[in-house]
Amino acid sequence: TQLLEQSPQFLSIQEGENLTVYCNSSSVFSSLQWYRQEPGEGPVLLVTVVTGGEVKKLKRLTFQFGDARKDSSLHITAAQPGDTGLYLCADTGGGNKLTFGTGTQLKVEL
Amino acid sequence: GAGVSQSPSNKVTEKGKDVELRCDPISGHTALYWYRQSLGQGLEFLIYFQGNSAPDKSGLPSDRFSAERTGGSVSTLTIQRTQQEDSAVYLCASSLGVGRELFFGEGSRLTVL
Repeated sequence: TQLLEQSPQFLSIQEGENLTVYCNSSSVFSSLQWYRQEPGEGPVLLVTVVTGGEVKKLKRLTFQFGDARKDSSLHITAAQPGDTGLYLCADTGGGNKLTFGTGTQLKVEL
Repeated sequence: GAGVSQSPSNKVTEKGKDVELRCDPISGHTALYWYRQSLGQGLEFLIYFQGNSAPDKSGLPSDRFSAERTGGSVSTLTIQRTQQEDSAVYLCASSLGVGRELFFGEGSRLTVL
């Protein structure tokens, strides 16, 4: 059974700071998706990465897929309160379902 | 509506009662998923429907849990004889197919007293 571990579990920072969160898998990802979930809402897809070493940018968010496709990172530059939420990585290779990671709860304070 | 709709948004029930949770997916989406999320945690897969194929029930935690999808659209998740450990947010998602982006509803928060 694939295990997706995310770190840190919790992160509280001040507005304007930079941060990086990580997603590590016990096996190779088929492809990896990052979702953000705000309180009271369902998760929303941010990005899909497919190729080892791939880097994608979405405004202040930079997503990197490890060369061996067993890990990924999400870097946020100059965090804002609107970035607050639960960040989830997910592997698309579990047959009929996405396998989600344990999540990183991010809080950005003024 | 344009998104995935779930009802009820909140449900409080007594231990031992049965509950039904409803999901109305995005029109045209052939795939429908149910996930469970405990407070602040990741998502636990429960069940998956794809078109007219037999559902993937591999994530259902016990035989008290069942789900159906009528006419390839609306789905109902039923939990019989609820237990306190069933308390969680139950999320429904739909997509155009396997490996495609999942669109989630806002969830149904279940509290079993």
